[in-house]
Amino acid sequence: QKEVEQNSGPLSVPEGAIASLNCTYSDRVSQSFFWYRQYSGKSPELIMSIYSNGDKEDGRFTAQLNKASQYVSLLIRDSQPSDSATYLCAAYTGRRALTFGSGTRLQVQP
Amino acid sequence: DAGVTQSPTHLIKTRGQHVTLRCSPISGHKSVSWYQQVLGQGPQFIFQYYEKEERGRGNFPDRFSARQFPNYSSELNVNALLLGDSALYLCASSQDLHNEQFFGPGTRLTVL
Repeated sequence: QKEVEQNSGPLSVPEGAIASLNCTYSDRVSQSFFWYRQYSGKSPELIMSIYSNGDKEDGRFTAQLNKASQYVSLLIRDSQPSDSATYLCAAYTGRRALTFGSGTRLQVQP
Repeated sequence: DAGVTQSPTHLIKTRGQHVTLRCSPISGHKSVSWYQQVLGQGPQFIFQYYEKEERGRGNFPDRFSARQFPNYSSELNVNALLLGDSALYLCASSQDLHNEQFFGPGTRLTVL
């Protein structure tokens, strides 16, 4: 099992809908999780970090961490075409490396 | 405050050559990490430096090396370039180990 796994997508949602992005992780990762957004040809931009079980909200974004089921998700409310990007889930592993999933491509249809 | 800066933005090299990439972290950040990203994949960890010491190394050959300077800036060196080294090289800085990491704009390396 990979340390951090994501569905590559694309995930297509209509404008104004809720986009739900999911990430599962193995026992080899720490309990610090990060969501990054990456536009085509650009570098990753940090959106959210979550360290504790439960939900964390920041504007239109909500990160959810479920340690028992070993998944972390990102919800984007009122999705906009400008949210169309690749979303990367990341966590620290034992080598002090920030390990990334392969990313989920989100397409928001106007 | 300025974000993470990297230079150069783009670079074209031929096989067998050597390349040096540079990174300046966010002011106050003491840790710099390097990543390689190829199309369609997430960034792959290469090195992490903290207080001028190597604190982590990914699964990359010895052709890859790095260092961190007293002002916390960093260099990534790659020797004997291969075609497969063509990628986006990302630098990220953080205040400490295991903190949030913030990425620079990256250096696009093409090896011909």
